[in-house]
Amino acid sequence: ETGVTQTPRHLVMGMTNKKSLKCEQHLGHNAMYWYKQSAKKPLELMFVYSLEERVENNSVPSRFSPECPNSSHLFLHLHTLQPEDSALYLCASSQDRAGGVFAELFFGEGSRLTVL
Amino acid sequence: DAKTTQPPSMDCAEGRAANLPCNHSTISGNEYVYWYRQIHSQGPQYIIHGLKNNETNEMASLIITEDRKSSTLILPHATLRDTAVYYCIVRVAGTASKLTFGTGTRLQVTL
Repeated sequence: ETGVTQTPRHLVMGMTNKKSLKCEQHLGHNAMYWYKQSAKKPLELMFVYSLEERVENNSVPSRFSPECPNSSHLFLHLHTLQPEDSALYLCASSQDRAGGVFAELFFGEGSRLTVL
Repeated sequence: DAKTTQPPSMDCAEGRAANLPCNHSTISGNEYVYWYRQIHSQGPQYIIHGLKNNETNEMASLIITEDRKSSTLILPHATLRDTAVYYCIVRVAGTASKLTFGTGTRLQVTL
């Protein structure tokens, strides 16, 4: 138990569906992240929210839409996905300190998405 | 961020020390070395990090060479549960930590 909970753990959706992935952290952290892990590829950072403000977007397609309503919750809204978007989506959180030493990332167990 | 190079895979007998190397020859003075591991079908887990001194915690030891161009993660008594992909990452400390994971080393611990 890492203190980061992701739901659902598994999701199958068609290319025309709209779904959302949810992440909740119980650690009091001020930063949350979405990572994508495709088969046999390194983890890719998709989005970062620090103090509820999105601070980085690595040119992720617009069919992925993040939402961070507060520091404990993070969503990834999905619509009109492609089969190549099938992957493990991992949420993480950390307690960032301005100018200080990096604090460890705590990851959830991931949501495995299959797009048909 | 400095690039890291790790062997794609390693084997280790259970009970023996597992020594996982990482090269980071372009590391700059303010970059830390971080190690994470990912057990199959789980999210990555933080192990340890360091700047220039050797570090030890309950999970592992981190040995960083004097020139900081390489490091070694040591699991002193590997168990089957240590079978995982181990990632060595170099990153400047600061806000909104944005680690970039490479392909890592797949460690297989065997009986």
